[in-house]
Amino acid sequence: QVQLVESGGGVVQPGRSLRLSCAASGFRFSGYAMHWVRQAPGKGLERVAVVSYDGRQKYYVDSVKDRFTISRDNSKNTLYLQIDSLRPEDTALFFCARIPKNGDQHYWGQGTLVTVSS
Amino acid sequence: QSALTQPASVSGSPGQSITISCTGTSSDVGGYNYVSWYQQHPGKAPKVMIYEVSNRPSGVSNRFSGSKSGNTASLTISGLQAADEADYYCSSYTSHNDLDVVFGGGTKLTVL
Repeated sequence: QVQLVESGGGVVQPGRSLRLSCAASGFRFSGYAMHWVRQAPGKGLERVAVVSYDGRQKYYVDSVKDRFTISRDNSKNTLYLQIDSLRPEDTALFFCARIPKNGDQHYWGQGTLVTVSS
Repeated sequence: QSALTQPASVSGSPGQSITISCTGTSSDVGGYNYVSWYQQHPGKAPKVMIYEVSNRPSGVSNRFSGSKSGNTASLTISGLQAADEADYYCSSYTSHNDLDVVFGGGTKLTVL
């Protein structure tokens, strides 16, 4: 079955960096665009970054453009999110997700929690 | 990249029906039939309940239905049950590019 397993979260000090990973299995990872979606405590969902199936196209929400970098390694079936210059407002649960335009095959991981605190 | 607009909360009694609205623009909800609805229980990942405006994945109760008129999409839940109490989010693809998705702010459904 399809699985998306995020890792790499933790408690970090402001200004530090973190790399989140999402290991995919159960489907042809290289055939799909993939998203990172974050949810701050008690808040709603926010798509922060998306990467095309081949890694060539990348889009970010304006608020993270200069600090977040999405990438993927199709040979390892893994999605990444590099987060630099972490801020307290980046504290959130980060989900990786496959959100297709067509069809019902929407898949989400369980999320990895990033807490930015001194 | 503005979020879609949803009511913050709705409530209903068991057995009743409720409708949650999701308002966007002609660049997202109004321009495409790529609207989805997600249910999220506390501490859990979102689960798709409706895709492409009105389609239900297998395994989702037929008490859940979706529709769209102009720039507003709607999720209706009939025969409310206690287990339906959750947060609900709409999402839509946008005209910005072929990959971009925007979410609504979320609606807390309370079953009285």
